[in-house]
Amino acid sequence: EAQVTQNPRYLITVTGKKLTVTCSQNMNHEYMSWYRQDPGLGLRQIYYSMNVEVTDKGDVPEGYKVSRKEKRNFPLILESPSPNQTSLYFCASSLSGANHYEQYFGPGTRLTVT
Amino acid sequence: AQKITQTQPGMFVQEKEAVTLDCTYDTSDPSYGLFWYKQPSSGEMIFLIYQGSYDQQNATEGRYSLNFQKARKSANLVISASQLGDSAMYFCAMRGISNFGNEKLTFGTGTRLTIIP
Repeated sequence: EAQVTQNPRYLITVTGKKLTVTCSQNMNHEYMSWYRQDPGLGLRQIYYSMNVEVTDKGDVPEGYKVSRKEKRNFPLILESPSPNQTSLYFCASSLSGANHYEQYFGPGTRLTVT
Repeated sequence: AQKITQTQPGMFVQEKEAVTLDCTYDTSDPSYGLFWYKQPSSGEMIFLIYQGSYDQQNATEGRYSLNFQKARKSANLVISASQLGDSAMYFCAMRGISNFGNEKLTFGTGTRLTIIP
């Protein structure tokens, strides 16, 4: 089954404790992306990757890191989480190179930073 | 820079009526695509419909149609004969490819649609 998986689905952590949210897709997509969803703000792109070893900042990259060492995986790293990073996070993937490629979303990760 | 504006935070519509969800956009990319996604209360993101910037005809997918007016930079979603299951959050999104080949996606703030029996 074609899918994007994220882990963990739910996470409660404390300020400053490094964490990683994993994202994996099995569709051989070049393009992968991370979003955060906050009430009233919609989805905002954090980072995206157009292929292996190619990553770029989205609209809200501060406080986040990513890496793309393999085509299927695109982990999101929070080196020192803060309460303002409490949010719902989505990973998505798609083919690349044309506008009509829809994104496939993971189920979301709800993160709470206390 | 890309921007998507959805001016309706919430809408209430009677069941079986048609509903239009507004979306305006701004971009400097020479080519772009416009998407609508549905997010039910369960949280997943469901792709509904796509319109390309060079498409001459408005896109349709079942009960969904996209009213694309390029000169006005609008891409409104029309749902015909609304159903209770249409109650959800709806997001308009744009995908653009810059002259440098960067692909960027931008979402609007969403419209929460509630269908009244």
